[in-house]
Amino acid sequence: ETGVTQTPRHLVMGMTNKKSLKCEQHLGHNAMYWYKQSAKKPLELMFVYNFKEQTENNSVPSRFSPECPNSSHLFLHLHTLQPEDSALYLCASSQRPDYSFMNSPLHFGNGTRLTVT
Amino acid sequence: SQQGEEDPQALSIQEGENATMNCSYKTSINNLQWYRQNSGRGLVHLILIRSNEREKHSGRLRVTLDTSKKSSSLLITASRAADTASYFCATVSLNDYKLSFGAGTTVTVRA
Repeated sequence: ETGVTQTPRHLVMGMTNKKSLKCEQHLGHNAMYWYKQSAKKPLELMFVYNFKEQTENNSVPSRFSPECPNSSHLFLHLHTLQPEDSALYLCASSQRPDYSFMNSPLHFGNGTRLTVT
Repeated sequence: SQQGEEDPQALSIQEGENATMNCSYKTSINNLQWYRQNSGRGLVHLILIRSNEREKHSGRLRVTLDTSKKSSSLLITASRAADTASYFCATVSLNDYKLSFGAGTTVTVRA
């Protein structure tokens, strides 16, 4: 068990659908992240939340909308996605945000495999 | 932006052999981290080495860091089938302290 739980594990959605990805961390961490992982490409950082405040949006299209109601929960709301958005979406948490001098490792969930048809 | 680049992209070895993979990066770093990802799972943090360290061990893992060459290596000794996974290096830049991942090395350990 990683301490970071993501649901659902798999999601298939049409381009006109609206769906949400959920992430919950049980580690008492202060920072949470959304990453996109596509085949043969480096992980792409999407959003960073620190103490439930968004501190980074890595030029992500507005069809992806994050929400962080508290330090333990993170959502990614999806609407009018494109087939190229199909990927593994990973949530992660850390004790401190990644721009902290004394960097702390990330703890990842097992991801949501998203397929956009 | 991508900072670390792993080499090779893929590696296939026999159980019991050692596996070595390398990571090169471009800018000065605060620290470098290695992660493992099993198929269909998230990444798991393996080891963190700071810029003033040259070598670090954790169980069967040995990580070296050469800041003059801007490179790091991960050695897995006496590999097991369970070591089959993708391995990623991630660097924390001294410029902005942001974490950047490479594209990974896929390791297959044959029984």
